[in-house]
Amino acid sequence: QKEVEQNSGPLSVPEGAIASLNCTYSDRGSQSFFWYRQYSGKSPELIMSIYSNGDKEDGRFTAQLNKASQYVSLLIRDSQPSDSATYLCAVNAGGTSYGKLTFGQGTILTVHP
Amino acid sequence: ETGVTQSPTHLIKTRGQQVTLRCSSQSGHNTVSWYQQALGQGPQFIFQYYREEENGRGNFPPRFSGLQFPNYSSELNVNALELDDSALYLCASSSPASGRGGLETQYFGPGTRLLVL
Repeated sequence: QKEVEQNSGPLSVPEGAIASLNCTYSDRGSQSFFWYRQYSGKSPELIMSIYSNGDKEDGRFTAQLNKASQYVSLLIRDSQPSDSATYLCAVNAGGTSYGKLTFGQGTILTVHP
Repeated sequence: ETGVTQSPTHLIKTRGQQVTLRCSSQSGHNTVSWYQQALGQGPQFIFQYYREEENGRGNFPPRFSGLQFPNYSSELNVNALELDDSALYLCASSSPASGRGGLETQYFGPGTRLLVL
């Protein structure tokens, strides 16, 4: 079982729709969770961080965390063609994994006009 | 722009050679992490340096080594290059002061794309 799993997609949504990206993780002791966006040929760019159960909103983005289900998601409202990218879920287990981020393989999102 | 810089941007080497990649952390950040990202995959953690000492290492062989300097910039060295080392190498900087005590957010530089022939 992979430590962090994402559907690789591609996920295709029409412009203006809600895109829903999902991620599960295996280490129940994980403490911090991140969503990064990566455009083709570029480096990952931080979108959201979340540490506590529940929802965290930032503009058109909402991160949701459920530690009991070991599940974290990212919702993108009013999706735009410029949101087309690979979205990476990253988890920090803390403890002896102190500084290590474990990434999923990424979900490719395509927003079509 | 995160303020993290990396050099060079691209590099071509042949199998068996050695390579050094460089990273300057964002101002105020004392921790540098290195990741390898193969095509179509998520980044894989190589190691992290905190105040010039290695602070955790991923599942990479000893031919991957690193340094951190007093100004918190860092180098990644790879000896005896193999074809599978071809990847995007990412440096990320962070600081405990910017997050929650060791679980701080990491900000990535633009990366170095290495091709091994």
